[in-house]
Amino acid sequence: GENVEQHPSTLSVQEGDSAVIKCTYSDSASNYFPWYKQELGKRPQLIIDIRSNVGEKKDQRIAVTLNKTAKHFSLHITETQPEDSAVYFCAASYSSGGGADGLTFGKGTHLIIQP
Amino acid sequence: KAGVTQTPRYLIKTRGQQVTLSCSPISGHRSVSWYQQTPGQGLQFLFEYFSETQRNKGNFPGRFSGRQFSNSRSEMNVSTLELGDSALYLCASSPAGQLNEQFFGPGTRLTVL
Repeated sequence: GENVEQHPSTLSVQEGDSAVIKCTYSDSASNYFPWYKQELGKRPQLIIDIRSNVGEKKDQRIAVTLNKTAKHFSLHITETQPEDSAVYFCAASYSSGGGADGLTFGKGTHLIIQP
Repeated sequence: KAGVTQTPRYLIKTRGQQVTLSCSPISGHRSVSWYQQTPGQGLQFLFEYFSETQRNKGNFPGRFSGRQFSNSRSEMNVSTLELGDSALYLCASSPAGQLNEQFFGPGTRLTVL
């Protein structure tokens, strides 16, 4: 089955700096890669996703890059703000016309924004 | 549109008991997935239902089961509870099964004593 590794487990950055979280996956058939943000005591919220036919996707201060050859994808957050502090999860899955596998999640990165 | 809802939000059970958790997806969403979240194992996929059929299943014992009703609402059941079943159980709904994002509910916090 799929295995997703996520690094680092904790990331502390100064407010205004950039943060990068990296994930690798094992199953070359995976074709959908979402990122979720989970604040303490709250549900995971989808912040951005990328599909296997795209190399990069941006949404304001966040961007995701995908390298299918190397089987890794990364989340980039620029101009970090205090409200970016949370746990971030990457995930991978395979979907086809016949259905979708469940998401396989990384272990999460605790992002701390230092004022 | 209302988001994914789960009931109950908190539950305390003792070992050996069974429990049923409920999930109502976003209106129009037909796919419901269930996940277990623990500090040690993280988020792990339990199973996914679409049109009342279980399409995919994660690596959990048979004590974990689920079902989906014709209105897309889903329930999961855990029988013969063990201490290790204490976790946050999250359900997520998708508008379709193909390459679509999953929207999570607030979860049910299950504590097994």
